[in-house]
Amino acid sequence: DQQVKQNSPSLSVQEGRISILNCDYTNSMFDYFLWYKKYPAEGPTFLISISSIKDKNEDGRFTVFLNKSAKHLSLHIVPSQPGDSAVYFCAASKYNTDKLIFGTGTRLQVFP
Amino acid sequence: DVKVTQSSRYLVKRTGEKVFLECVQDMDHENMFWYRQDPGLGLRLIYFSYDVKMKEKGDIPEGYSVSREKKERFSLILESASTNQTSMYLCASSLWSGGYTFGSGTRLTVV
Repeated sequence: DQQVKQNSPSLSVQEGRISILNCDYTNSMFDYFLWYKKYPAEGPTFLISISSIKDKNEDGRFTVFLNKSAKHLSLHIVPSQPGDSAVYFCAASKYNTDKLIFGTGTRLQVFP
Repeated sequence: DVKVTQSSRYLVKRTGEKVFLECVQDMDHENMFWYRQDPGLGLRLIYFSYDVKMKEKGDIPEGYSVSREKKERFSLILESASTNQTSMYLCASSLWSGGYTFGSGTRLTVV
């Protein structure tokens, strides 16, 4: 039973444009959400996070939006750069646990 | 910077072999995790540990066991490797859920 879902396995965006990666979750007990980025042959690295008490968090070119009523979060990358080409995983955790549940990942390709 | 080191980048093992995947972290983190990554399935949690000698099953523990005798080391054991355990294995450590640091992964092929 996939509690965190990323329904788009891949996304292709032109350099300079906005990339929007989506993630849906089913468990209303999740209260902390994260995005990780993974390059081939490397481990995932933390990108940005958001607590359930917020609906937006911004860090440079990266913004995460959370819609609790829809159980949906999205990652916006503006402007997209070729170095952003990677697999992006969203992840969620419940209050007072350190266990992350990951989504299936979205492969982003940014072309010139 | 926290470093998580996985002993092997690539491994090829035969069906039925006992396989050990080693993971070492150098920042005194309590929490350590083993995930596997498969296309279309994302990262799935196999086992995790909150302290020395403590272990808890994740979502897909069947066919695996773990050992945490020292705080810095968390080993994943495939008791009798099977072809459906061919995968990328990722170890992580953390102080809290947002602070996962992953190793570079071990790509295991079981033939």
